[in-house]
Amino acid sequence: QKEVEQDPGPLSVPEGAIVSLNCTYSNSAFQYFMWYRQYSRKGPELLMYTYSSGNKEDGRFTAQVDKSSKYISLFIRDSQPSDSATYLCAMSADSNYQLIWGAGTKLIIKP
Amino acid sequence: ETGVTQSPTHLIKTRGQQVTLRCSSQSGHNTVSWYQQALGQGPQFIFQYYREEENGRGNFPPRFSGLQFPNYSSELNVNALELDDSALYLCASSSHRGPGGSPLHFGNGTRLTVT
Repeated sequence: QKEVEQDPGPLSVPEGAIVSLNCTYSNSAFQYFMWYRQYSRKGPELLMYTYSSGNKEDGRFTAQVDKSSKYISLFIRDSQPSDSATYLCAMSADSNYQLIWGAGTKLIIKP
Repeated sequence: ETGVTQSPTHLIKTRGQQVTLRCSSQSGHNTVSWYQQALGQGPQFIFQYYREEENGRGNFPPRFSGLQFPNYSSELNVNALELDDSALYLCASSSHRGPGGSPLHFGNGTRLTVT
């Protein structure tokens, strides 16, 4: 079993829909949680960065962390075709330098 | 603000050869990490350099080695290339060791193909 599980998709939704992306993890030591967006032939781009549990909102994006369930989510409101990309979750323990990544979910927003 | 730049963008090598990949970190960042991303997978941590010293290493064999220079740029060297080394190699810089204090900023990677 992988430390971080993420459904690879693809997830296809119509423009304007609310998108929900999720990851589960097994290591209770993880404290830092990140969501990255990766376009084809590009490096990952940081979207959201969260410490411990709770919610964080930035524009159309909301990140949620539920440490009791070992489950994190990224919500995208009013989705746009430009949001079509692969979304990767990543996480690390408090004193660890190493990020552990999910495999990424491919998201397709249909105009 | 200059972002993370990597060179070359693409590279084709033969099994058994050696390769050097280069990375210039973002201005103001003193820490560089290297990741390997196979097709359809998330990145895998190779190692991190902080102030020219290796600061941590993932589960990669010694034929993967690196350097960081006084200007914080970095190189990844891979000896005795194997077919499974074919992947996108990503460099990321940050202003602190470890992701807890400073998120990683990635370059666009070097696509290595080993034939």
